[in-house]
Amino acid sequence: GAGVSQTPSNKVTEKGKYVELRCDPISGHTALYWYRQSLGQGPEFLIYFQGTGAADDSGLPNDRFFAVRPEGSVSTLKIQRTERGDSAVYLCASSPHNSGRAGELFFGEGSRLTVL
Amino acid sequence: GDSVTQMEGPVTLSEEAFLTINCTYTATGYPSLFWYVQYPGEGLQLLLKATKADDKGSNKGFEATYRKETTSFHLEKGSVQVSDSAVYFCALSEGGSQGNLIFGKGTKLSVKP
Repeated sequence: GAGVSQTPSNKVTEKGKYVELRCDPISGHTALYWYRQSLGQGPEFLIYFQGTGAADDSGLPNDRFFAVRPEGSVSTLKIQRTERGDSAVYLCASSPHNSGRAGELFFGEGSRLTVL
Repeated sequence: GDSVTQMEGPVTLSEEAFLTINCTYTATGYPSLFWYVQYPGEGLQLLLKATKADDKGSNKGFEATYRKETTSFHLEKGSVQVSDSAVYFCALSEGGSQGNLIFGKGTKLSVKP
C-alpha cells in the first residue's frame, strides 16, 4: 500500500524484555516521526528524523528508548528493559518535509505494546 | 511549555446537529494549528490546518478559525453525519519546518442516526 506501515500491530511482552517496533514510511518522505499515545491521551512526541539522522530526540523518555533510520527510509524504535509504564500505542508518521507543509503528517495505524 | 487544551468528551449528537469542539492553546511563538481526526480502526489523518492569525482552515464541511486574541482554534460543522463519528485532536506546531506536533487529549464524537 501507499501509506505508512507499522509492524507489529500488536506486541505483548514481559517486563524486562527487549522490543523492536518497525515503521515503513511513505516512499519519498524524508521526515519521519515517532509518537507515543497512552490511553485517553493525545500522541506525545518522541523523536524526529530528517533523512538518516535524528534531528530531535528530545521526547525520548530515557535511555532505554532508542531509534534508528540507517538508510533514510525504514525506522526501528527499540525499547530495552521494558517496564509496565511503556505500555501504549506507538505511532509512526512521515512527511514530505516541505516547509510549506510543516505539521502535515501521515500516520500509520500504530503498534500497540503491552508489557505484562 | 507549549500546550493544547480541548474540551473533554465524549460528545454525542444526533445527525444534522451543529458541532463545536473547543480548542485553546498556549505557545510562546507563532504556531501553526491543526485538527487531526482518527476514525475507528484507522490512523490519524489531517483534517484541516491554519498557519497564521485569522486564517480559516476547512475540509469536509468542517471549519476552524485561528484566533490569536483568544488563542483558540475551535472546530465547527453545521450538520454532522454518522460517518463523522471519530476522535478529533487539536494540535499545534511551533514555527519552522520541523513539524513536531503537540496534541490535545482528543475529543470523541459519536453521531446517532
